[in-house]
Amino acid sequence: DGGITQSPKYLFRKEGQNVTLSCEQNLNHDAMYWYRQDPGQGLRLIYYSQIVNDFQKGDIAEGYSVSREKKESFPLTVTSAQKNPTAFYLCASSIVRNYEQYFGPGTRLTVT
Amino acid sequence: GENVEQHPSTLSVQEGDSAVIKCTYSDSASNYFPWYKQELGKRPQLIIDIRSNVGEKKDQRIAVTLNKTAKHFSLHITETQPEDSAVYFCADGGATNKLIFGTGTLLAVQP
Repeated sequence: DGGITQSPKYLFRKEGQNVTLSCEQNLNHDAMYWYRQDPGQGLRLIYYSQIVNDFQKGDIAEGYSVSREKKESFPLTVTSAQKNPTAFYLCASSIVRNYEQYFGPGTRLTVT
Repeated sequence: GENVEQHPSTLSVQEGDSAVIKCTYSDSASNYFPWYKQELGKRPQLIIDIRSNVGEKKDQRIAVTLNKTAKHFSLHITETQPEDSAVYFCADGGATNKLIFGTGTLLAVQP
């Protein structure tokens, strides 16, 4: 299960605070992705990046921001503008144009 | 826009029976169709995938079939075992290198 890591596993924050979720990979993959998963629902794409210093919005980007300064790292910031931030967040990576995505173990964020 | 419909949302089978999950996609440019298995609280893991130049692919008890004309693909699990119990997601890969996921099927294998 090595290769792509997320930290922390559980995160608790007060409403109104920004929080950054970490995602690191050592698979030498060009593409990285952030998904949100709510109970009983599928994976919804927040942001993705196909190359360093470039990223695109997914289906639910509002209230989130990302950066891709290094190939290995793709942190996600959940801002106070995200209305329902409590969820399970999954990071993934893939070789560009190969499509198979490898997922990290996820971060469960609870905002109260 | 791009969309993947997955059915059924829940499926209960007896151990040893077969399970079939179906997905329908809308993007005619799609050419990659993976299936992921997610156990409770764990990360999704790829179990099998198929590309558009192939109609069927098998890996032991798991198989995937693709009908490009009808734009649907299916996961078949034979001789189900309790450890097959999980949520299964189909996905559809088009020209943009992002996957569109179905809403998932909760498979329960009763011993």
